Amino acid sequence: DTGVSQDPRHKITKRGQNVTFRCDPISEHNRLYWYRQTLGQGPEFLTYFQNEAQLEKSRLLSDRFSAERPKGSFSTLEIQRTEQGDSAMYLCASSRGGAYNEQFFGPGTRLTVL
Amino acid sequence: AQSVTQLDSQVPVFEEAPVELRCNYSSSVSVYLFWYVQYPNQGLQLLLKYLSGSTLVKGINGFEAEFNKSQTSFHLRKPSVHISDTAEYFCAVSGLYNQGGKLIFGQGTELSVKP
Repeated sequence: DTGVSQDPRHKITKRGQNVTFRCDPISEHNRLYWYRQTLGQGPEFLTYFQNEAQLEKSRLLSDRFSAERPKGSFSTLEIQRTEQGDSAMYLCASSRGGAYNEQFFGPGTRLTVL
Repeated sequence: AQSVTQLDSQVPVFEEAPVELRCNYSSSVSVYLFWYVQYPNQGLQLLLKYLSGSTLVKGINGFEAEFNKSQTSFHLRKPSVHISDTAEYFCAVSGLYNQGGKLIFGQGTELSVKP
C-alpha cells in the first residue's frame, strides 16, 4: 500500500511535554498538508508545504507548533509544551499541485494530553 | 474567506432508503467543492468533487451531489443506502484562486444506516 502513513497512531503525554509526529506522503505528491480534528468537528487547516517550502500557516498554529518537510519528502509536526487543549486528531494529507486535486489523507495521530 | 455549514449533525436512515446530506457554503470567490467520507479508524476518502461544468456530479459507491450556485449548496444524495455506508461525511470547499488548495471543512454529518 503506497498511501499516506502517519506515526505514531496514538500518543499520550503529560502537559508540558514535547511531542513530534511524522507523516510520509505519497511519493510523487509535492504538496503536504496538516489538519487538526477535534471531537465532533471537521478537520481544520494548520499548514501546508510545496516540496520543502512551508507556504501557509493558519492562525491556529501558535508558536508552540513547528512543522518541517526536509528534502520535500516526509514531514514532522512538533508541539512544544503541550496543553490539554492540544488534544485532538492530527491529520496529514498529500496531493499533486493545484487546488482542484484530491488530497489523500493518512489515518491520523490521536494526541491525548493529560 | 470561506465557510461550510452541514445542516444535520446526525442522519439515521433505514437500509435501502434514500438519503440526502445537506451542505451550504459561503464564499466571496468561486470555489471547488468536495465530499469526503470517514469510516471508523480510517482516513478521509474522497467521494466526489465539483470543479466546473455539469452541476450534477457522480462519485464512488453510488453517491452523487448537485451544485446549486444560487443557493450556495452542494447536497449529497444516494437513492438506496447500505449498512456499509454508515460513516461520517464531510463537505469541504477550496477557493478557486487559492493556489495552496487548503480545504475548509464543515462540521460533519454522521450517517447511521439501520437494518
